[in-house]
Amino acid sequence: AQKVTQAQTEISVVEKEDVTLDCVYETRDTTYYLFWYKQPPSGELVFLIRRNSFDEQNEISGRYSWNFQKSTSSFNFTITASQVVDSAVYFCALRDLKGGYQKVTFGIGTKLQVIP
Amino acid sequence: ETGVTQSPTHLIKTRGQQVTLRCSSQSGHNTVSWYQQALGQGPQFIFQYYREEENGRGNFPPRFSGLQFPNYSSELNVNALELDDSALYLCASSLLVGGGAYNEQFFGPGTRLTVL
Repeated sequence: AQKVTQAQTEISVVEKEDVTLDCVYETRDTTYYLFWYKQPPSGELVFLIRRNSFDEQNEISGRYSWNFQKSTSSFNFTITASQVVDSAVYFCALRDLKGGYQKVTFGIGTKLQVIP
Repeated sequence: ETGVTQSPTHLIKTRGQQVTLRCSSQSGHNTVSWYQQALGQGPQFIFQYYREEENGRGNFPPRFSGLQFPNYSSELNVNALELDDSALYLCASSLLVGGGAYNEQFFGPGTRLTVL
């Protein structure tokens, strides 16, 4: 069975600090996709990144970076120089392609509060 | 904005009633998925529709049903509402391309359902 664990339920940082959100996943599949989504108070899930299981190259997008390590089944997300606008709930998610449909399994989410 | 819209934004029903939630997918997308997000939890996959047929389902009872229309918009119907059905219901659209591959899911703003 698939499982996504986000052990940090809430994190508070002071503006301009760096913060890393942890994600550990479990799957028996060799082909899968990993995602991060941001959910601001408005409720809409905003797509941040997709990674497939064959691509372990880390990625940087502005202040955001992602560290995918297959050996430890982790897909961590770092925000550099955090800003108040980064305050939101962040979800890590896992998708396999069994059965020909895309069932996405989400973690419980990490609520990030950036204090001015 | 993702181009995925949902209606209504909020809804209050009483236990035992039936409810219909609506979703318009992003232009060019042919697949719609529905998720239930209880307070403080990650979204849970309900089902997915492709070409007007359900092609995948999560662990939800049959009183959760859906439709997809030729224009790829979708409805989620829930019969015999229970208190635990109170949640944010999210719709996501994506494009199924050749070979069973999907691109990213884009989520709508959700419908918040309260069952009294």
